[in-house]
Amino acid sequence: NAGVTQTPKFQVLKTGQSMTLQCAQDMNHNSMYWYRQDPGMGLRLIYYSASEGTTDKGEVPNGYNVSRLNKREFSLRLESAAPSQTSVYFCAGAWTGANEQFFGPGTRLTVL
Amino acid sequence: EDKVVQSPLSLVVHEGDTVTLNCSYEVTNFRSLLWYKQEKKAPTFLFMLTSSGIEKKSGRLSSILDKKELFSILNITATQTGDSAVYLCAVVNTNDYKLSFGAGTTVTVRA
Repeated sequence: NAGVTQTPKFQVLKTGQSMTLQCAQDMNHNSMYWYRQDPGMGLRLIYYSASEGTTDKGEVPNGYNVSRLNKREFSLRLESAAPSQTSVYFCAGAWTGANEQFFGPGTRLTVL
Repeated sequence: EDKVVQSPLSLVVHEGDTVTLNCSYEVTNFRSLLWYKQEKKAPTFLFMLTSSGIEKKSGRLSSILDKKELFSILNITATQTGDSAVYLCAVVNTNDYKLSFGAGTTVTVRA
């Protein structure tokens, strides 16, 4: 099993460009999450999907959109990237009723 | 708003030392507290704590929760260079299972 996978690993964008971060899991997770990690601020929740077909905003949703394409895949889209979105992005999954989440390897995004 | 505070922010120790990491929290709907280890990449799960006073152990790592005083500690004994990492504390909300993370403690173990 690959677990939780993310693509790409690294990305550099110019201000105003758009891109989609991909996340897939083969662990049969019902819930999936997108976080960003910035120095000194821990992990902050951007969006989450409690089940296929549902999505909800987290703590820092502005500037992002998400799609839960199917049970396995959960993508994060930046429509018009800004330097403030420079960060490391993590996707995570969890089984229904479980406390712990399993994280992907992360995408390091730089917006110039 | 849920709040999770970890201390210290960073520390440097020598191999063989013992390390104690602190996590305090203020949350409205507490379900459990989780500890993760992050080495360069994805956080990996260490412990889940739900009850006060019951120590969880895994090798040289141990953790305990105090639900009255709203804190948890993570101990690492006989530290090794492989223990160098960021240690993250997170609290799980009982209503929606969302995690609130602390900023993390960076542990550097020198040979």
